[in-house]
Parts: sequence; structure tokens; C-alpha cells
Amino acid sequence: DAKTTQPNSMESNEEEPVHLPCNHSTISGTDYIHWYRQLPSQGPEYVIHGLTSNVNNRMASLAIAEDRKSSTLILHRATLRDAAVYYCILRDGGNYGGSQGNLIFGKGTKLSVKP
Amino acid sequence: EAQVTQNPRYLITVTGKKLTVTCSQNMNHEYMSWYRQDPGLGLRQIYYSMNVEVTDKGDVPEGYKVSRKEKRNFPLILESPSPNQTSLYFCASSLRPLNTEAFFGQGTRLTVV
Repeated sequence: DAKTTQPNSMESNEEEPVHLPCNHSTISGTDYIHWYRQLPSQGPEYVIHGLTSNVNNRMASLAIAEDRKSSTLILHRATLRDAAVYYCILRDGGNYGGSQGNLIFGKGTKLSVKP
Repeated sequence: EAQVTQNPRYLITVTGKKLTVTCSQNMNHEYMSWYRQDPGLGLRQIYYSMNVEVTDKGDVPEGYKVSRKEKRNFPLILESPSPNQTSLYFCASSLRPLNTEAFFGQGTRLTVV
């Protein structure tokens, strides 16, 4: 499985933008980049995903480098509720069946938000 | 409301006493899976199911069984629980295993004494 590398932790101030980086230098052409987050005492929650183009939704934006070897999750205005562990995951979109489509979680980035 | 429901949320049991953790989803999803989460080890997949009657091992299947007789349900069975299965368990489902959003349950905290 293609691997991702994320910083162990990051800090942000409330109402400021947050840029969470993810390196995935061994990404394949069919790998989608998924982001999930896990708030304290809850199950993981989907945030966003993309393949090549930048993506926006109500929760966040995903900026994907042109060579796809890295990506950045952008929270435009951090709130205290955004304090969570954020996981960057590669998911094979080119092979339906078997384990290739499974979500493989790494250690993620623990985001702290200061008031 | 779209959701994945796990029961029970908390369970304390003794070594060797068979138990089942239920998981149900109301979204007609084909794909379901079970994870365990342990401090320092993160989330690890136990079993997954591509559809009814189709299940396969994840990364840490030893000591667990699953079944998928209906699309909506994917129970996790511990035939003879041991203390090393004390963990936080999550069930997840998605329409397909690929590029669709996965929904997770609230978790089941299991303690085996």
C-alpha cells in the first residue's frame, strides 16, 4: 500500500486558517487522497477526498500538488470543535475488489486549537 | 438519518465468554468493515465485507469472526475473548470500497478481564 507521512501534531489559533500537510511520494495513478478526522471519543469522520484537482466542500479544501506527491488539507477558520486527529489516506480507485480499496489509517496529525 | 449503529457501546466481560458486537447501517451500503483502535497502534482493520456472504480478513483477524447474512448487518464475534482483545472497536460502511465516503459507528469499548 502506498504510504503517507504527516506531522505528529500541529497547533492553531481559533478562527485562523490551518494547513495540514501530507506527503505521499509513492502514490500511484489510481490512488485517491482521502482525509478523515477523529474527534475525541468518536469514530472517524469523512472530511474530503480528491484525485488530481483541488476540491472544496463545506468542511474543508483539499489542495493537491501538481505531481500528486503531496497534498494539504485546509481548514479555512479553525474552531475549537476542529481539534481532532486528522488522517491522510490513499485509497486505490482502480481496482474494485480485494483489499485495495480499504482505508488504511496511519498515525495522523493531532491538531490542537487554542482559543 | 444516515448512520452506523453499534451495540453495545461499552462491555466488560470475562476471558473465554463468547460475545457478539452488532453493527447495523441504514444506507444500503455494500461495503462494511471492522477496526480496532489501540493506543500507539492506531486504527487497524480486522475484517471487511464487500457484500452479502463475502467477507475477508483485514490486518488483525486472529481471534475474531464475522458474518454478513444481510446487507445491513455485520456482527463481530469473539468466540473466546482474551485480555489482549481489550480495545475500542469501530464498524464502518460505505456504498462501495473505493471512492465513496465511509461512515463510522460511535465505537464499542470492550474490556476483557
